[in-house]
Parts: sequence; structure tokens; C-alpha cells
Amino acid sequence: AQTVTQSQPEMSVQEAETVTLSCTYDTSESDYYLFWYKQPPSRQMILVIRQEAYKQQNATENRFSVNFQKAAKSFSLKISDSQLGDAAMYFCAYRSGLYNQGGKLIFGQGTELSVKP
Amino acid sequence: GAVVSQHPSWVICKSGTSVKIECRSLDFQATTMFWYRQFPKQSLMLMATSNEGSKATYEQGVEKDKFLINHASLTLSTLTVTSAHPEDSSFYICSAPLRAGGPNEQFFGPGTRLTVL
Repeated sequence: AQTVTQSQPEMSVQEAETVTLSCTYDTSESDYYLFWYKQPPSRQMILVIRQEAYKQQNATENRFSVNFQKAAKSFSLKISDSQLGDAAMYFCAYRSGLYNQGGKLIFGQGTELSVKP
Repeated sequence: GAVVSQHPSWVICKSGTSVKIECRSLDFQATTMFWYRQFPKQSLMLMATSNEGSKATYEQGVEKDKFLINHASLTLSTLTVTSAHPEDSSFYICSAPLRAGGPNEQFFGPGTRLTVL
């Protein structure tokens, strides 16, 4: 079975600074997708960034980028120029590429990010 | 992006009663929907996969007779918590992928907070 581990329950960053959230996963599959979701106090889940396992290039979305290390099964999220609105719970998630898995997401424990003004 | 709604957003019920939560995809058809449960400060735990026109697939440890799932149309899935007890109090979230397979983004509902007295 696949597992996702986030070893940082809480992180803090100064506004305008850069922070990296860690995520590791375990799988025997070769085809899969990885995601970072943000859950603000409203609790609405928001997709931050996604990475296809077959792509070597790290995904980037504006201030958000990932460091995808497939061999190490590591998928960290870097937030540059942190803003107050970035404060939220961040979840790393895994999705199998196998069609018979139905597309369900497996989430890590989450990292609560606070941004200091 | 696509929109998924949930109703109600908050429900309080007495112990022993049943509660129905609706999940609707508003602008797309969803043959599959997922139901998650989230306790405060914790991750999302997948409860079941809801399949249109067929029986739901429950995750290990989830009581199918207690958490009844019906996916009667391509835009509506319902979760009924039967004979609710205080330990069922939680935040319930549904999600639906835009399409089956691939790195398709899953769209999440805003969640339903259930409090059982």
C-alpha cells in the first residue's frame, strides 16, 4: 500500500522569505501523480501544484515550486516570497496512475504553515 | 475551475438519528466521487469511493452499514450517517475528479461539519 509522510507538523516563515515543506512517499508503482493541497481556515481544499512521476522537470506555479526526487521518493514544496495569505495547512497527496485505483488521493499528515508579518 | 457543492455545511443532530449529506458536481458530470473524513488538525482520511450506478467501495475499517453512500446520478452523491453517535462528529468532505484517470485535478466540496449531541 502507498503511504505519504509529512514529518513537519508545523512550520513558520517570515513574510517575503522562502520556506520548504517536506514530503516523502512510498510506492512500488512507476506511474503516479503527486500533489500539494492547501487548506486555509475555511477548510476548502485548494490545489497548489501537481507533478507527474514520468516528468523529470520539477513543476512550478508562480511562487510555488517542487523538488521531485523520484529515486528518493521525495516531493518537497518551496514557497518563495511568502505572503500572509499562504498561512494554511498544507497536504501532500499521492494518486496512483492505475485506472483501477479510481483516482483516490492518499494524503500525508499535513504541515501547518504560519507566516509572520 | 469546476465546482463541487455540499449540503448542509453544518448540521447538529441528536444521538441515534440519521443525517444525510449531499455532494453535487455543479458544472460537470462525475462518475466517481470520494468521501473523506477529517478530524481537527488532522489529515483527510478516505472513507469510500462513490460510483455512479453501482455500489460504493469502502476503505478498510469503514462500516458500510453505518455510512451509507448512494450515487444515483452523474452529479449527486449522498452520504448518510445512520444512528449517529458523538464519535461520528467530524468534518466530512467530498471530492470529484473532472475525468477518470490521468493527473486530473480533483475538485473538493467545502465540507460539512457534523456535530452529534
